[in-house]
Amino acid sequence: QSVLTQPPSVSAASGQRVTISCSGSSSNIGNNFVSWYQQLPGTAPKLLIYDNNKRPSGIPDRFSGSKSGTSATLGITGLQAGDEADYFCGTWDTRLSAYVFGTGTEVTVL
Amino acid sequence: QVQLVQSGAEVKRPGSSVTVSCKTSGGIFRSFAINWVRQAPGQGLEWMGGIIPIFGTPIYAQKFQGRVTITADEFTNTAYMELTSLRSEESVVYFCAKSLYYSGSGTPSGGMDVWGQGTTVTVS
Repeated sequence: QSVLTQPPSVSAASGQRVTISCSGSSSNIGNNFVSWYQQLPGTAPKLLIYDNNKRPSGIPDRFSGSKSGTSATLGITGLQAGDEADYFCGTWDTRLSAYVFGTGTEVTVL
Repeated sequence: QVQLVQSGAEVKRPGSSVTVSCKTSGGIFRSFAINWVRQAPGQGLEWMGGIIPIFGTPIYAQKFQGRVTITADEFTNTAYMELTSLRSEESVVYFCAKSLYYSGSGTPSGGMDVWGQGTTVTVS
């Protein structure tokens, strides 16, 4: 049972924008950096965002991250068919002394 | 460019143990933070623990304390995860993943930027 809560699914038409929320607490999101991962079917997760809002080399600027208090948000603009995947947030939890992941969100492009 | 290559699929009996390896190439192994993450079919990601060779002592999620052992061999640049007392519901994919950075106290708190291909363990 994850300590980070995400919506099970979000959807939007091609070219549109979606946002995915990640809700936690002061022991995790509130006091630590958040990362976001994309997982295409049958593959390993891929780091999209780290330190709340930074993109690794090679990640397009269609992907953005933000954090406010104990919640974080991933935004995807110009939605493409290739963006259909599961997305997970993740961060360190100081109380649990463990890295924790969100429940995951499935993105569907209509 | 850092790459992580995991050992192949395993089939194990309930109650037995499994060891999965994660061989790294590129970068400086002893300064890496290597995590082990598992995922059941159609389910989310679950962090099991990690190790930073330069610190030496692994850190484990409480759920796996006493059943998991994570080690690092600096001679072969390979990390290992052993899980004992396997149960059928632990027929999942195990991933190793490198953290972008770690804290001064040795916690692998940064995002995970390089992942192994995954190792499927079937317990039956």
